[in-house]
Amino acid sequence: AQRVTQPEKLLSVFKGAPVELKCNYSYSGSPELFWYVQYSRQRLQLLLRHISRESIKGFTADLNKGETSFHLKKPFAQEEDSAMYYCALWSRSNDYKLSFGAGTTVTVRA
Amino acid sequence: DTGVSQDPRHKITKRGQNVTFRCDPISEHNRLYWYRQTLGQGPEFLTYFQNEAQLEKSRLLSDRFSAERPKGSFSTLEIQRTEQGDSAMYLCASSGGGTVYNEQFFGPGTRLTVL
Repeated sequence: AQRVTQPEKLLSVFKGAPVELKCNYSYSGSPELFWYVQYSRQRLQLLLRHISRESIKGFTADLNKGETSFHLKKPFAQEEDSAMYYCALWSRSNDYKLSFGAGTTVTVRA
Repeated sequence: DTGVSQDPRHKITKRGQNVTFRCDPISEHNRLYWYRQTLGQGPEFLTYFQNEAQLEKSRLLSDRFSAERPKGSFSTLEIQRTEQGDSAMYLCASSGGGTVYNEQFFGPGTRLTVL
């Protein structure tokens, strides 16, 4: 069975401070990991995927297979980063569906 | 707007009534997914279609739930004899096909409230 765990429901940081959102997963195969973001009154959208190794909006995430983690980091948080963030797992052997964590609400204070 | 659309955006119904939601995917996408999201949780997979074929159904999808995608384009999700536990946000997503990951694009969701 696959599972995605986001241990923090809420995360509050000051503008300019670093932010790290934790994500751990359990899956026996070779999954792909993603971070999705939902800004206020907007739909869920893809932020980044581990396979692309991109930095999007200053965010990066490294897949650590030994620790089965995919933490999301940004060195200097901005107020526009306030949103709901979901870690998600995908595998073609699991019928192409996404399995999401419960989400972390990030609030960046001025 | 060429993204995924869902209708209605909000639905309030009384327990025991039937409801139907519609999803229009991005036109060239052959995969369509339904997810359900309850308060404080991430989206949970319900079912998905490749073209008109329904290929997978979650255990979450009781016999009261049925989904169709008759012509491989739009999809409907019907809930019969609604219960208060059905209150949730119902999300639709679509993607291209193939064996590699194709980004799933989400609709705005339909929020169902069962009184």
